[in-house]
Amino acid sequence: SQKIEQNSEALNIQEGKTATLTCNYTNYSPAYLQWYRQDPGRGPVFLLLIRENEKEKRKERLKVTFDTTLKQSLFHITASQPADSATYLCALSTWAGNQFYFGTGTSLTVIP
Amino acid sequence: DTAVSQTPKYLVTQMGNDKSIKCEQNLGHDTMYWYKQDSKKFLKIMFSYNNKELIINETVPNRFSPKSPDKAHLNLHINSLELGDSAVYFCASSGDRNYGYTFGSGTRLTVV
Repeated sequence: SQKIEQNSEALNIQEGKTATLTCNYTNYSPAYLQWYRQDPGRGPVFLLLIRENEKEKRKERLKVTFDTTLKQSLFHITASQPADSATYLCALSTWAGNQFYFGTGTSLTVIP
Repeated sequence: DTAVSQTPKYLVTQMGNDKSIKCEQNLGHDTMYWYKQDSKKFLKIMFSYNNKELIINETVPNRFSPKSPDKAHLNLHINSLELGDSAVYFCASSGDRNYGYTFGSGTRLTVV
């Protein structure tokens, strides 16, 4: 069956450190992979997109990698801040359609 | 201006009732979606509409009926509500999948 799993439900990290979140998928051939941030009571907010032929994407303190051999994406937040505390979701779409399928999410807490 | 707006934000209703949730986007996007987020925060796609036409219906009970009067609106009507329908429902829109989705703020539906 198709699955998109994120490494853990919750991750705690000290302020200033790099947070690394994992997204693993099975039985998908994704064309695109996205990362979103969701705060309590709000809708997800788009952060970054990476295509299957790209290895890495950066945006300010964020970095995403995409390894289609390992079937994995890593999401890094460098110099993490308490304001980065939120749930982070990965999502992928295949070449077959525009819809994105979401992972289970990781709740990140950055401790001051 | 809110890009994707949903109403109502909260909906409490009894089992067996029929209810609707409205969604409007002012981004000029061609594609709109409904997602359901359960108590474990898992986001599951329900429907995808492109230019008022249904593209995806992901094994959703036929008690759920989306209606798109124009490409800026996608409403969700639910008949004969059941306890298991309690969740947060998100509307989203996208221009193309090179860019992320824009989500609404969600409708928390509670069936009692």
